[in-house]
Amino acid sequence: SQKIEQNSEALNIQEGKTATLTCNYTNYSPAYLQWYRQDPGRGPVFLLLIRENEKEKRKERLKVTFDTTLKQSLFHITASQPADSATYLCAPARAGTALIFGKGTTLSVSS
Amino acid sequence: ETGVTQTPRHLVMGMTNKKSLKCEQHLGHNAMYWYKQSAKKPLELMFVYSLEERVENNSVPSRFSPECPNSSHLFLHLHTLQPEDSALYLCASSPPGSDNYGYTFGSGTRLTVV
Repeated sequence: SQKIEQNSEALNIQEGKTATLTCNYTNYSPAYLQWYRQDPGRGPVFLLLIRENEKEKRKERLKVTFDTTLKQSLFHITASQPADSATYLCAPARAGTALIFGKGTTLSVSS
Repeated sequence: ETGVTQTPRHLVMGMTNKKSLKCEQHLGHNAMYWYKQSAKKPLELMFVYSLEERVENNSVPSRFSPECPNSSHLFLHLHTLQPEDSALYLCASSPPGSDNYGYTFGSGTRLTVV
């Protein structure tokens, strides 16, 4: 069955550094992958979508890569700020199917 | 607000009660979803509705009963729940061609079963 792993449950970094979060998947080939941010007690908020034929996608301080050979996506936040502290969820998805999510990585950015 | 509204935000119910969760969107989306989020576990997909028809039901116990009367409203009817059903229940919607867009989630209903 398909499996999604977000390697770190928690990641602590200093303000101004680049945060790198990892999402690995096994036993299926997603057509695209989405990343979400979730704050405590709230629903996830969509951040970025990257397709299998795209290597990299950027949005402001966010960058996502998608390596179908490694079956991995990396999510980078450059010049991180305390306001970036949240849980980040990845969802590698097959075409036409509902999203299944990883457990998430909780990022804490200290000033 | 995200455009997807869930009510109530908090609900405490006894194991013998019957209650309903409500989700509403006016974004023009044609698919709606129920997810369950328990502590330390990933979001669990419960039900999927596309154009008001249920297209997926992920082996959810029958004590959870979804209803989608139209493309803007989704309900989750609850009866004889167990304490392990306590969780954050999230509703989401997505537009046509949803492979090209993200989901819009509501803020969730925090359910406690006592």
